[in-house]
Amino acid sequence: DGGITQSPKYLFRKEGQNVTLSCEQNLNHDAMYWYRQDPGQGLRLIYYSQIVNDFQKGDIAEGYSVSREKKESFPLTVTSAQKNPTAFYLCASRPGQGRSPLHFGNGTRLTVT
Amino acid sequence: AQSVTQLDSQVPVFEEAPVELRCNYSSSVSVYLFWYVQYPNQGLQLLLKYLSGSTLVKGINGFEAEFNKSQTSFHLRKPSVHISDTAEYFCAANTGGFKTIFGAGTRLFVKA
Repeated sequence: DGGITQSPKYLFRKEGQNVTLSCEQNLNHDAMYWYRQDPGQGLRLIYYSQIVNDFQKGDIAEGYSVSREKKESFPLTVTSAQKNPTAFYLCASRPGQGRSPLHFGNGTRLTVT
Repeated sequence: AQSVTQLDSQVPVFEEAPVELRCNYSSSVSVYLFWYVQYPNQGLQLLLKYLSGSTLVKGINGFEAEFNKSQTSFHLRKPSVHISDTAEYFCAANTGGFKTIFGAGTRLFVKA
């Protein structure tokens, strides 16, 4: 079955360490997205990529970085510059623009202490 | 600027009762609207979408929503809820570009 795989499901890190969250899709979608979810705040866009080797900052990109070297992969690095990194991170993809709904992975819960 | 407002953060309801989850959007241009459901520690799943045409949209699990352009609303309804409908529901809007705006979510609690 086609879908989006995020790994790991749970991730624990010490403050000051960079950490990379994996996102892989086999849906052949061009666009991929990273969202951050905090209780009561909905989903906030971190970064998105419309095509390989291209990506744009979302609304809360500070302290995060991404790469898009392959169509199926869009890893997110949470750097030590991110002030409050503990959150639930969701990766999504879709074929093109607005009319297409987003397809989501099952998320990675990151805890930084 | 485009925004999505979900008017209730939590909605408790008894099993087999009807429910309405409210969503209002602001947009000066045509908009595509979506409802997603999220079960604990999982990603979001699409319930239904409004792209154009009929204003009453039917989705999975017996849910439906009505697009009201004059009131800029897209409320989600189900005539009879089940315990298994307990989840968080997100309304989302897109004006045709790459960015989708989400509401803050509504937690639906279905009580026996």
